[in-house]
Amino acid sequence: NAGVTQTPKFQVLKTGQSMTLQCAQDMNHNSMYWYRQDPGMGLRLIYYSASEGTTDKGEVPNGYNVSRLNKREFSLRLESAAPSQTSVYFCASVVYPTGTGPGETQYFGPGTRLLVL
Amino acid sequence: KNQVEQSPQSLIILEGKNCTLQCNYTVSPFSNLRWYKQDTGRGPVSLTIMTFSENTKSNGRYTATLDADTKQSSLHITASQLSDSASYICVVSQNSGYSTLTFGKGTMLLVSP
Repeated sequence: NAGVTQTPKFQVLKTGQSMTLQCAQDMNHNSMYWYRQDPGMGLRLIYYSASEGTTDKGEVPNGYNVSRLNKREFSLRLESAAPSQTSVYFCASVVYPTGTGPGETQYFGPGTRLLVL
Repeated sequence: KNQVEQSPQSLIILEGKNCTLQCNYTVSPFSNLRWYKQDTGRGPVSLTIMTFSENTKSNGRYTATLDADTKQSSLHITASQLSDSASYICVVSQNSGYSTLTFGKGTMLLVSP
């Protein structure tokens, strides 16, 4: 049971290049999220997928696209990378409580460190 | 605007000592508050979660408190260990819907031998 896995771990891109960040979870969760984490800032939501076949914009979606390939996989694509997209990207798999549980639990992957030159 | 403010930004303590991290929030409506631990180079891991009616929640040497009236929370670490060195993030969730989390910037804790 690997939890949430992300590939690649590190990537260096030149401005204008494209790439896809991969995320997979083996916990059978319906919801998956993409965040970015920048120095001195809290995690910010880029896109999320409440369930297979659906995706929605978060706080900072510009410059990104996502694909919920199946229940396990949720990918993040940068079509034309910019230096402002230099960041650490985290994928999270989310389970929502049944009944009167205290709230969702997010399981984060190890992150992808992206540098755009 | 929903905000979560954490203090201090960073903290250095000696191994074995206790410390308390603070979190103030303006998120409304409030659903729950969670503390995460993020080791360097890793994703955040949940430590505790508290709803409106809960004042305190413990997880081993970690004890979180919540005052929903003043919109303040604290995370107390007892008898610190070197492995406690990490960033601690306060996250507040709103009442409904997806993507309703507001993350604090975190407090970076360094436990020194």
